[in-house]
Amino acid sequence: ETGVTQTPRHLVMGMTNKKSLKCEQHLGHNAMYWYKQSAKKPLELMFVYNFKEQTENNSVPSRFSPECPNSSHLFLHLHTLQPEDSALYLCASSQALVSGRASPNNEQFFGPGTRLTVL
Amino acid sequence: AQTVTQSQPEMSVQEAETVTLSCTYDTSESDYYLFWYKQPPSRQMILVIRQEAYKQQNATENRFSVNFQKAAKSFSLKISDSQLGDAAMYFCAYGGGADGLTFGKGTHLIIQP
Repeated sequence: ETGVTQTPRHLVMGMTNKKSLKCEQHLGHNAMYWYKQSAKKPLELMFVYNFKEQTENNSVPSRFSPECPNSSHLFLHLHTLQPEDSALYLCASSQALVSGRASPNNEQFFGPGTRLTVL
Repeated sequence: AQTVTQSQPEMSVQEAETVTLSCTYDTSESDYYLFWYKQPPSRQMILVIRQEAYKQQNATENRFSVNFQKAAKSFSLKISDSQLGDAAMYFCAYGGGADGLTFGKGTHLIIQP
């Protein structure tokens, strides 16, 4: 497999369910990201991991729990979600981020997304 | 904090014609990168073109080119000879340092056959 893969591609869950989204990158990158894309809204950055360390959490509710066991894998654990959490969840990866310095490393490569529906 | 503004929610162009998508941004940094991403109906985000702030020469990728005006903080995308496959959402993004990317709200581009 090449690039960034996400599973599952579609997920329907009830508000009391617990599920996980998986992202895997095969590009040798060290930074990974979760974004939420709702209808008619801009891309919302949720979490950033750089060398497996979480460097950003954009005030995301605790019902979303990220996990980055290694630089190639990123998970988003979901529990007790609300219907307004229904959205496309995109994973991306890039070369390692360098604090205070812009670089071509900022270019991100995206997965195909998981379409989540919360009933 | 950086902000990215795309003032055109939707644009329409005839096939084979040229269209320009606007993007402005706000930053206090001098070194950064700017990107245009394309999101077709498949929802897969694809990088179209990249511009480094320190380079005065505008980036070009085949039919895609940018007009980068650093002083005005403007970064527009020109698509020449529009094709049906260009129909998509286009997102302008700002990148610098360790904060990842900041995206604009996107422009929906329609190609009329």
